[in-house]
Amino acid sequence: DTGVSQNPRHKITKRGQNVTFRCDPISEHNRLYWYRQTLGQGPEFLTYFQNEAQLEKSRLLSDRFSAERPKGSFSTLEIQRTEQGDSAMYLCASTQDGTGESETQYFGPGTRLLVL
Amino acid sequence: AQRVTQPEKLLSVFKGAPVELKCNYSYSGSPELFWYVQYSRQRLQLLLRHISRESIKGFTADLNKGETSFHLKKPFAQEEDSAMYYCALRGNSGGSNYKLTFGKGTLLTVNP
Repeated sequence: DTGVSQNPRHKITKRGQNVTFRCDPISEHNRLYWYRQTLGQGPEFLTYFQNEAQLEKSRLLSDRFSAERPKGSFSTLEIQRTEQGDSAMYLCASTQDGTGESETQYFGPGTRLLVL
Repeated sequence: AQRVTQPEKLLSVFKGAPVELKCNYSYSGSPELFWYVQYSRQRLQLLLRHISRESIKGFTADLNKGETSFHLKKPFAQEEDSAMYYCALRGNSGGSNYKLTFGKGTLLTVNP
């Protein structure tokens, strides 16, 4: 296990198309987070899972966005009817609850989305 | 609402000079503060957190609750310290226990 992985690493799509990103957390990490990072900004929280339960969603997550973590392992983030404003780096992070490292969020390399 | 402010977008120093990256926060409770670093073409990674009170790669940061600051310091900068640095806050109330709120980041360049 080499860390959090995300696929694809890059995605170019046309406005109005749907896209789906995948995140594979570190094995046994039960918490998974999605963040979005636009140019010149720090990562902004989108949503968070504890196992398969989605426990919090940011107001940034419009109804065009949906995230799932069906078996408490990998997660998907889908954006429907993409808009140019959705262009950003989408980051995934995971943590292990119940250990001294619980505060440390381990980040994936990100998926860079460009909406034309 | 929780907010993290990093007033400097860019910071340039010479090798061997002291460096201080500023971070101020706004939060009504007792937050946890972190510094994350992103080296060129690498993923975001934790540098240090205030509860550990440790020095990592020569960097230290002290939480000053009176001034609501968590500045990152290193007495002698090295070229390999050149990177993007993000200050982050984790709240401890209600349903926002776990998410991180990041500042906009400071790009540190250490010149030879």
